[in-house]
Amino acid sequence: GQQVMQIPQYQHVQEGEDFTTYCNSSTTLSNIQWYKQRPGGHPVFLIQLVKSGEVKKQKRLTFQFGEAKKNSSLHITATQTTDVGTYFCAGGHTGKLIFGQGTTLQVKP
Amino acid sequence: DVKVTQSSRYLVKRTGEKVFLECVQDMDHENMFWYRQDPGLGLRLIYFSYDVKMKEKGDIPEGYSVSREKKERFSLILESASTNQTSMYLCASQKSRRGQSSYNSPLHFGNGTRLTVT
Repeated sequence: GQQVMQIPQYQHVQEGEDFTTYCNSSTTLSNIQWYKQRPGGHPVFLIQLVKSGEVKKQKRLTFQFGEAKKNSSLHITATQTTDVGTYFCAGGHTGKLIFGQGTTLQVKP
Repeated sequence: DVKVTQSSRYLVKRTGEKVFLECVQDMDHENMFWYRQDPGLGLRLIYFSYDVKMKEKGDIPEGYSVSREKKERFSLILESASTNQTSMYLCASQKSRRGQSSYNSPLHFGNGTRLTVT
């Protein structure tokens, strides 16, 4: 069935380093959403991308949607300890959202 | 702000017990979902509902059923709990955006119920 693969599963960085997580779909997506789950918390919506090649920024976070609408990335510049958590992508397909496995980010101060 | 409330944060049940997980949302959302979250597997969809008395199977419905008698409430039922159903269960609600096929409304999640079946 339809799958959204997300890599890496885990990432440990030193505070101040950059971080990127990638999502890849086997089929074309109508949109992609990104969520953040803090340790012990629940996923919280960050952003949605709809257009081919779209790039959106939220402060130090940059989100991209691929030209073919099959892949997406989230890049964090100069990580901070507040960025710790698990980041999920969710691809829209036939009206449904399909979640990737998530990337857990640990930031060493 | 949308509030999605799950009745229990932690639950411990015995194998074979019938388990009810309750979820209530206060924003009149049409769509509601139940996911389970396990390490390395992300969020897997169990069941969802787009309307009262309507339900559809997700990716892993086996061993579960659901009930949606009122718009604001979506219940997940484990008819006979088994140890492989030990997991974090997340409920979510979503406003329906019919007619806008390229856009999905954001999901609003509850705090989750960590169920342990012994």
